[in-house]
Amino acid sequence: AQSVTQPDIHITVSEGASLELRCNYSYGATPYLFWYVQSPGQGLQLLLKYFSGDTLVQGIKGFEAEFKRSQSSFNLRKPSVHWSDAAEYFCAVGARNAGNMLTFGGGTRLMVKP
Amino acid sequence: DTAVSQTPKYLVTQMGNDKSIKCEQNLGHDTMYWYKQDSKKFLKIMFSYNNKELIINETVPNRFSPKSPDKAHLNLHINSLELGDSAVYFCASSQGSSEAFFGQGTRLTVV
Repeated sequence: AQSVTQPDIHITVSEGASLELRCNYSYGATPYLFWYVQSPGQGLQLLLKYFSGDTLVQGIKGFEAEFKRSQSSFNLRKPSVHWSDAAEYFCAVGARNAGNMLTFGGGTRLMVKP
Repeated sequence: DTAVSQTPKYLVTQMGNDKSIKCEQNLGHDTMYWYKQDSKKFLKIMFSYNNKELIINETVPNRFSPKSPDKAHLNLHINSLELGDSAVYFCASSQGSSEAFFGQGTRLTVV
C-alpha cells in the first residue's frame, strides 16, 4: 500500500524568504504525485502535479516541485514566500490501479512572519 | 460556476441520527470521491466511485454509504451517527487519472 510522509508539521518562514516543504512517498510503481494547499475553512486547491516526463514541475502561485525517484521524494519549493502563502500544504500520491484514490501526507502548516 | 459543490456546509446533529451530505460536480468527470478530514487535519479516502465500480476503503464503517443517482452526483449517507464521525467531509471528482477537484467541505458535528 502507498504512503506519504511530510516530516515537518509546522514551518515558519519570513516573508520574502525561500521555502521548501518535504514529501516522501512509498509506492510500488511510478507514482502520480500532487501538492494541494488548504486555506482555513476552505477546500483543497491543486498547486501542481507530476505524472511523468520532466521531473521538475511548475505550478500555480510560483510554486515548483521536483520528483526524485532515487530518494522517493517530491519536495515543494518557492523562491520567495508571500504572506498569503500561509496555509496547510498536503502532498499526495495517486493510486493508478485503485480508482485513482489519493493517499495524503499529514500536512505541513506554513506560517509566514512579516 | 462552482466545479464541485457540497451541501450543507455545516451540519450539527445528535448521536444516533441519520444524515446525508450532497455533492454535485459540473466538470463532466467520470469519477467521484469522498474524503474525511479529522480534527488533526489528516485526510483519508473513504470511497471512489464511477459508473462501473465502487471502491470502498476497508476502514470505513458500513454505516457510511455512497449513493449516486447519476454521473454528476455522489451523496454520502451516514446512519446511526457517532461522536467520532465529527469531521470535515470533502467530495472530489476527477477524469480518469487526472487531478482531483475538491469541494469546499462539509463540517459535521455530532453532539
